[in-house]
Amino acid sequence: NAGVTQTPKFQVLKTGQSMTLQCAQDMNHEYMSWYRQDPGMGLRLIHYSVGAGITDQGEVPNGYNVSRSTTEDFPLRLLSAAPSQTSVYFCASSYVSKREKTGELFFGEGSRLTVL
Amino acid sequence: SQQGEEDPQALSIQEGENATMNCSYKTSINNLQWYRQNSGRGLVHLILIRSNEREKHSGRLRVTLDTSKKSSSLLITASRAADTASYFCATVNTGRRALTFGSGTRLQVQP
Repeated sequence: NAGVTQTPKFQVLKTGQSMTLQCAQDMNHEYMSWYRQDPGMGLRLIHYSVGAGITDQGEVPNGYNVSRSTTEDFPLRLLSAAPSQTSVYFCASSYVSKREKTGELFFGEGSRLTVL
Repeated sequence: SQQGEEDPQALSIQEGENATMNCSYKTSINNLQWYRQNSGRGLVHLILIRSNEREKHSGRLRVTLDTSKKSSSLLITASRAADTASYFCATVNTGRRALTFGSGTRLQVQP
């Protein structure tokens, strides 16, 4: 049982390049999300999904795309990387219930992205 | 803007002392959660408290929730050096499913 797996762990990009951060979970969670964490700040929500085929924007969606074709996978695409997107990116998943709406999040170990 | 704001931003205590962190939020919530993050690692869930609950315990952790004041507190009793980490509150707002996080409290427990 691997939990939430993110790849790559480290990546350096040049301005204007595109790339995809991968996230996979094996807990059959309906809810998946992407956050970015910058020094001295908490986590800011980029995009989230409550099930296959359903995505929604978070607080800072500009410059990022997501899709959810399967329950297990939720990739994050950077369309044209900018230095402002230098950050640590976390993927997280959770169960969804009528009572909790969204329960406890299980986090991956993070992907550290530097845009030059 | 972020929903939750933790206070204090940083806290340094001696081993054996209690640590209290506070979280304030802005809108109605379904539940509030506390997380811990060790340096360079992902976040780990500590405890979830629902909007109709006032207090919850888990081991050395005690969480309170005051929905009238839109605030929560996390108490760690008899702290240990291994409790050194950043602690975040996160809320699930009424009518939404996304969790939004505060900026965190950095706790340093001196041995």
